[in-house]
Amino acid sequence: QKEVEQDPGPLSVPEGAIVSLNCTYSNSAFQYFMWYRQYSRKGPELLMYTYSSGNKEDGRFTAQVDKSSKYISLFIRDSQPSDSATYLCAMSADNFNKFYFGSGTKLNVKP
Amino acid sequence: GAGVSQTPSNKVTEKGKYVELRCDPISGHTALYWYRQSLGQGPEFLIYFQGTGAADDSGLPNDRFFAVRPEGSVSTLKIQRTERGDSAVYLCASSLMRSGSPLHFGNGTRLTVT
Repeated sequence: QKEVEQDPGPLSVPEGAIVSLNCTYSNSAFQYFMWYRQYSRKGPELLMYTYSSGNKEDGRFTAQVDKSSKYISLFIRDSQPSDSATYLCAMSADNFNKFYFGSGTKLNVKP
Repeated sequence: GAGVSQTPSNKVTEKGKYVELRCDPISGHTALYWYRQSLGQGPEFLIYFQGTGAADDSGLPNDRFFAVRPEGSVSTLKIQRTERGDSAVYLCASSLMRSGSPLHFGNGTRLTVT
């Protein structure tokens, strides 16, 4: 079993839709959670970073962590064609060591 | 400011050859990471440096892979006797050594072994 599971998609939505992206994990020691956006042939770009459980909002993006269910989510409001990319979740038990990544969800926002 | 810089952006080499991939982290970032990303997959951890020393190299697949960071800044990932299975994008990331500091990635080196 992988440390982090993520539905690969692809996920296709119309412009303006609310997008929900999710990851599940097995290691209850994980306490640092990140979401990255990766465009084709580019490196991952940090979107959201949260510690422990709870919600964090930044513009159109909201990250949620439910440690009791070992489940994290990223919501994108008013999705734009420029949001079309692969979204990677990542997590770590220790901020200064390995971060484990999901396999990524490919999102396509249609104009 | 400048982000993480990786060179070359693309490298094509023949099976059995030796390659070096370079990473220049964000200035002041003392932690440096190498990851490998295969097509359709997420990044997979290879090695992590705190300063000059490798704090965790448990992700290196075998002894053909080696990485150095002699002055605590630039790092080089070295692959000997390359195999076709080594073909992937090699990503470098850096971060500050303090709680709450996320990873910042470069655009990677796309290695193709023919």
